[in-house]
Amino acid sequence: DAKTTQPPSMDCAEGRAANLPCNHSTISGNEYVYWYRQIHSQGPQYIIHGLKNNETNEMASLIITEDRKSSTLILPHATLRDTAVYYCIVRVVGGGADGLTFGKGTHLIIQP
Amino acid sequence: NAGVTQTPKFQVLKTGQSMTLQCAQDMNHNSMYWYRQDPGMGLRLIYYSASEGTTDKGEVPNGYNVSRLNKREFSLRLESAAPSQTSVYFCASSEFLQSYSNQPQHFGDGTRLSIL
Repeated sequence: DAKTTQPPSMDCAEGRAANLPCNHSTISGNEYVYWYRQIHSQGPQYIIHGLKNNETNEMASLIITEDRKSSTLILPHATLRDTAVYYCIVRVVGGGADGLTFGKGTHLIIQP
Repeated sequence: NAGVTQTPKFQVLKTGQSMTLQCAQDMNHNSMYWYRQDPGMGLRLIYYSASEGTTDKGEVPNGYNVSRLNKREFSLRLESAAPSQTSVYFCASSEFLQSYSNQPQHFGDGTRLSIL
């Protein structure tokens, strides 16, 4: 699976959009981009994933650049409960049922 | 709406003791996983089970054994606990399909294990 690079930490004001970047410059054509988050002491929570088109669900939007070398997770109206570590993970499609490779992620802190 | 349930939530062991961490999922998923998370680090895969009856090693399998008891349950056993195995252990499950494998994993809330 391709390696990802994320900033170690970010701040965002409550009510504003939080934009979390991820670099995956070595991504292959058959690799999906996944985002998970981990709120303190809890298990990771799936947020969204995509291959090459932008995706949106009830939690967030995922914007993938046309060359697929980077992506941005957008939380449109951040709340204090969105304070968490956010993980960007790249994974091969059809590569078997093996696990996810977690880096250190971005610690997003929502400020009141 | 249980999802993935792990027991126990906390455990303290002495070096050399053995124990089994239990995991059960009610989403009818065929793949299950065990991860460990050390302080300040991301999760690392210990073992996984693509389907009932199969298990495979992950990144850090040494010192652990697993059993896929049935489709719902996947247990992790420490035969002789060591202080280096002090960690938070997470179980996860997902729906794995042969034709593609982009389904997300769903995680339990973890077992916090301390080995003295």
